[in-house]
Amino acid sequence: GQQLNQSPQSMFIQEGEDVSMNCTSSSIFNTWLWYKQDPGEGPVLLIALYKAGELTSNGRLTAQFGITRKDSFLNISASIPSDVGIYFCAGGSNYKLTFGKGTLLTVNP
Amino acid sequence: KAGVTQTPRYLIKTRGQQVTLSCSPISGHRSVSWYQQTPGQGLQFLFEYFSETQRNKGNFPGRFSGRQFSNSRSEMNVSTLELGDSALYLCASEPGQGISTDTQYFGPGTRLTVL
Repeated sequence: GQQLNQSPQSMFIQEGEDVSMNCTSSSIFNTWLWYKQDPGEGPVLLIALYKAGELTSNGRLTAQFGITRKDSFLNISASIPSDVGIYFCAGGSNYKLTFGKGTLLTVNP
Repeated sequence: KAGVTQTPRYLIKTRGQQVTLSCSPISGHRSVSWYQQTPGQGLQFLFEYFSETQRNKGNFPGRFSGRQFSNSRSEMNVSTLELGDSALYLCASEPGQGISTDTQYFGPGTRLTVL
């Protein structure tokens, strides 16, 4: 099935560093969402974006909905050990989400 | 508000059997979607239900089916299980009325292992 191109696949960073990840697609989406998933659990919604160009923050997280509606990025500032996990982007259209393959984030204390 | 709940959390079945998974959405949410998550394919959309009707469907064989009840609870059924059906099955809900915001909230998933 259709999937988004999410990069990077994995990141190893030091505590306190900033992180950036992004997603691109050949299709236009009405909504862009970012989720975090811990082992054995379901994805937890971090940020939802609804308009092209929209920039939204949630604490140390900032995400943007690309102007073309075909891409989005997520930034995490001043990372902490509990940021460890897999981050997924998802494009939404008509009650269906299309997911990227995820970015595995490891934070070294 | 309680979140999305899924039962059971873990299941072990053998090839050829069938399985039924259950999902209760967030109170007031009427749209329920199902996803399959595997290491190889990632998160793949199965289908979405609203008011007991399937509105959208992914590219899965007919062995995968679902239904929704009048209280918005949903079940997913997989018949004639294959080894490749081993996966984490996730349910998600959203309000579902009017123009979709696609802001879906996920349950913890059911881990299905097919032997």
